[in-house]
Amino acid sequence: DIVMTQSPDSLAVSLGERATINCKSSQSVFYSSTNENYLAWYQQKPGQPPKLLIYWASTRESGVPDRFSGSGSGTDFTLTISSLQAEDVAVYYCQQHYSIPVTFGGGTKVEIK
Amino acid sequence: QVQLVESGGGVVQPGRSLRLSCQASGFTFNMYAMHWVRQAPGKGLEWVAVTSYDGNRKYYADSVKGRFTISRDNSRNTLDLQMSGLRPEDTAAYYCARNHGYPGYHDAFDLWGQGTVVTVSS
Repeated sequence: DIVMTQSPDSLAVSLGERATINCKSSQSVFYSSTNENYLAWYQQKPGQPPKLLIYWASTRESGVPDRFSGSGSGTDFTLTISSLQAEDVAVYYCQQHYSIPVTFGGGTKVEIK
Repeated sequence: QVQLVESGGGVVQPGRSLRLSCQASGFTFNMYAMHWVRQAPGKGLEWVAVTSYDGNRKYYADSVKGRFTISRDNSRNTLDLQMSGLRPEDTAAYYCARNHGYPGYHDAFDLWGQGTVVTVSS
């Protein structure tokens, strides 16, 4: 199984400042035949299901604000919130969908400083 | 509108069975692979199972293999999860989720239900 490791476990960022979350996979999730990284990011607010933010490592889902961006390739990935808003307080998860079983990172809790 | 609605959760004793259902609406259900994902109280997300768009391929997490069965009825736009031999560690909110692309199943999950809670306790 591919193990997904997120860091940090939590972070507190001032409103308007940048938040950066890292995700590392135990093996590459890059599929050469499609030239895509099979890596997604989700946001989960309390009492709600996860919401897809980013897929293929850097493609923003429709309707997701452009302050959210994803980057990275192979085994190392980053989710960046360029200017943190109050509504961004949530837990963020990375996910690899390169192989079965699909696996998620442990989550990063983002709070306001 | 486009949505998934789970049902069937509840409190069940260890060793017993429970069947969860997910009703899909607002999209062409038979085009998409569908997943079940669970989340234990206060914990992270755990993928449980996937069925291909036509129900011919099914895969499971090791933690549920041999105990859970995923199925779908494309005529009724429903996805089910039959759970047997339930254990306390199966206590979780269970979400159904749609595969982002079609007809494969190696994609992100772009549509999630609100979840149904299963509690396994004596």
